[in-house]
Amino acid sequence: GQQLNQSPQSMFIQEGEDVSMNCTSSSIFNTWLWYKQDPGEGPVLLIALYKAGELTSNGRLTAQFGITRKDSFLNISASIPSDVGIYFCAGQLNNFNKFYFGSGTKLNVKP
Amino acid sequence: DAGVTQSPTHLIKTRGQQVTLRCSPKSGHDTVSWYQQALGQGPQFIFQYYEEEERQRGNFPDRFSGHQFPNYSSELNVNALLLGDSALYLCASSLGADTQYFGPGTRLTVL
Repeated sequence: GQQLNQSPQSMFIQEGEDVSMNCTSSSIFNTWLWYKQDPGEGPVLLIALYKAGELTSNGRLTAQFGITRKDSFLNISASIPSDVGIYFCAGQLNNFNKFYFGSGTKLNVKP
Repeated sequence: DAGVTQSPTHLIKTRGQQVTLRCSPKSGHDTVSWYQQALGQGPQFIFQYYEEEERQRGNFPDRFSGHQFPNYSSELNVNALLLGDSALYLCASSLGADTQYFGPGTRLTVL
């Protein structure tokens, strides 16, 4: 199956700092999604990207669909304690196809 | 507007038993996808149902089967349970191939 390489695996940051994480693939994707998952719950959609080069924001979150269509980035500005959780990227090869998930980036924010 | 709901929340079974998990999609969605998420990993695609038929399938054995009903709700059945089937089972709904929204999951423990 497809492999999505998500990095970093985990991050420990101070409240107020900015955060960057990324996801790369050997395949070209048509859609990139970013989710956040809290312990014991299902992933919650943060941002969806549908075009190469697309830059989309959701509050303090900004994500970009890489020009090569093989990568995506998520930035969180001015982190707060409730940003703690695991962030997953997901890519879709083509319409009506399944989504492949990265292994997640665990974010810890120190107040 | 109810989101994706899943039942039960938790389930404990023993090896060799069979289990049925249920999912109701978000209002207006017609497609249901099932994922298995082992501890510390990203969700792995099991299969997807659309118009009451299995449309896509991941690398899971035939012990994993499903069904979609006319009201778009879905069931995941797992036969001959193994210890390794212990995981969080996530249901995601979408309108066709559009963005997927996840339910809270069912935590299955196989003893």
